[in-house]
Amino acid sequence: AQSVAQPEDQVNVAEGNPLTVKCTYSVSGNPYLFWYVQYPNRGLQFLLKYITGDNLVKGSYGFEAEFNKSQTSFHLKKPSALVSDSALYFCAVRPLYNFNKFYFGSGTKLNVKP
Amino acid sequence: GAVVSQHPSWVICKSGTSVKIECRSLDFQATTMFWYRQFPKQSLMLMATSNEGSKATYEQGVEKDKFLINHASLTLSTLTVTSAHPEDSSFYICSAGLEPGQGVDQPQHFGDGTRLSIL
Repeated sequence: AQSVAQPEDQVNVAEGNPLTVKCTYSVSGNPYLFWYVQYPNRGLQFLLKYITGDNLVKGSYGFEAEFNKSQTSFHLKKPSALVSDSALYFCAVRPLYNFNKFYFGSGTKLNVKP
Repeated sequence: GAVVSQHPSWVICKSGTSVKIECRSLDFQATTMFWYRQFPKQSLMLMATSNEGSKATYEQGVEKDKFLINHASLTLSTLTVTSAHPEDSSFYICSAGLEPGQGVDQPQHFGDGTRLSIL
């Protein structure tokens, strides 16, 4: 079965410290990988994606993500967290065999404390 | 960039009424749109795939007669929750799929969601 796992329901980090939000996937082939952020009572906003090429991709608001093919992971990172980064983060995977199918992780609540 | 507008953003209504939620792609055409439901502190649950000019494809366990989907044009899909009850209260989000000719590496674009509260 195809699946996306975000093992942490919540991640707590102090402002200014680096943050990591984990994502692993089990999807056939070499899927496309995405990260989205959701603020309260809002839809999902696209942050970044991995399609091919360099394993480290950079996205909006200073976020980046590292793709690891052997571990089938796509962890979201930021060198220095801001309080305003506090939100719900979703990892999503699009398989090559169905371009209109997205598999979402369960979401990780990021809390950045001043 | 691609913008998806969802309306209304918040609805409160009495049990037994029907509620219509609109999802529009403002600056592009969307052959396919998706409707999700999100419970508090939970992930998105895909309810159905809405295809322009044809019947929607519902996910297993989603009541077709309860959640009516219409995709009458390339820029508008609607979700109607019929005879709504308190258990239908949730956050509903739509998104647009790839438009014709668009690269498959493009992300889905989401509306801002509709908070539905049934009293």
